[in-house]
Amino acid sequence: GAGVSQSPSNKVTEKGKDVELRCDPISGHTALYWYRQSLGQGLEFLIYFQGNSAPDKSGLPSDRFSAERTGGSVSTLTIQRTQQEDSAVYLCASSLPGIGEAFFGQGTRLTVV
Amino acid sequence: AQRVTQPEKLLSVFKGAPVELKCNYSYSGSPELFWYVQYSRQRLQLLLRHISRESIKGFTADLNKGETSFHLKKPFAQEEDSAMYYCALSHDYKLSFGAGTTVTVRA
Repeated sequence: GAGVSQSPSNKVTEKGKDVELRCDPISGHTALYWYRQSLGQGLEFLIYFQGNSAPDKSGLPSDRFSAERTGGSVSTLTIQRTQQEDSAVYLCASSLPGIGEAFFGQGTRLTVV
Repeated sequence: AQRVTQPEKLLSVFKGAPVELKCNYSYSGSPELFWYVQYSRQRLQLLLRHISRESIKGFTADLNKGETSFHLKKPFAQEEDSAMYYCALSHDYKLSFGAGTTVTVRA
């Protein structure tokens, strides 16, 4: 497809389990972002990848969160030992270098029960 | 440090009335600002950016460096404008978003 694709769309997991969220960016977009959208909290920056440079991980809330980007394309956000406060919509976006317009995926709604 | 502030979480206006969404930012450099919109059951998308100085769907936004503001305005709101609106600042190759404003346009 032409847009940013995220999977799964919805994920319900038990507290303490690990989850993996996937993002397929737009082909040719070297910049990739992960954000977390919580009710009343706006969009919280998590991590940023740009080409082969070291990622900017400054937004990751704890060491339970990690992300990787393989081959400069697909990215996976992993949350270990999930907690109820991790429940949110996780958004991925991609753009061309030098940030102009960021294109967002439809998000993954994570519910930790 | 919070870079983008949207003071109104909810905004309700009648169809045909003017609507203004407030956005203030803090940034020491030359700012690049955007408004993003999320309609119901749709993905977040760019509405407009300050450098293009264009009107999209009747919306305009002017960058006021003195007041560090980038308010979004539309003179006559339509029901299809009901959505969540986010102001965003580009810095260090990242986008920082405000908390968002939910706009409801009533008939």
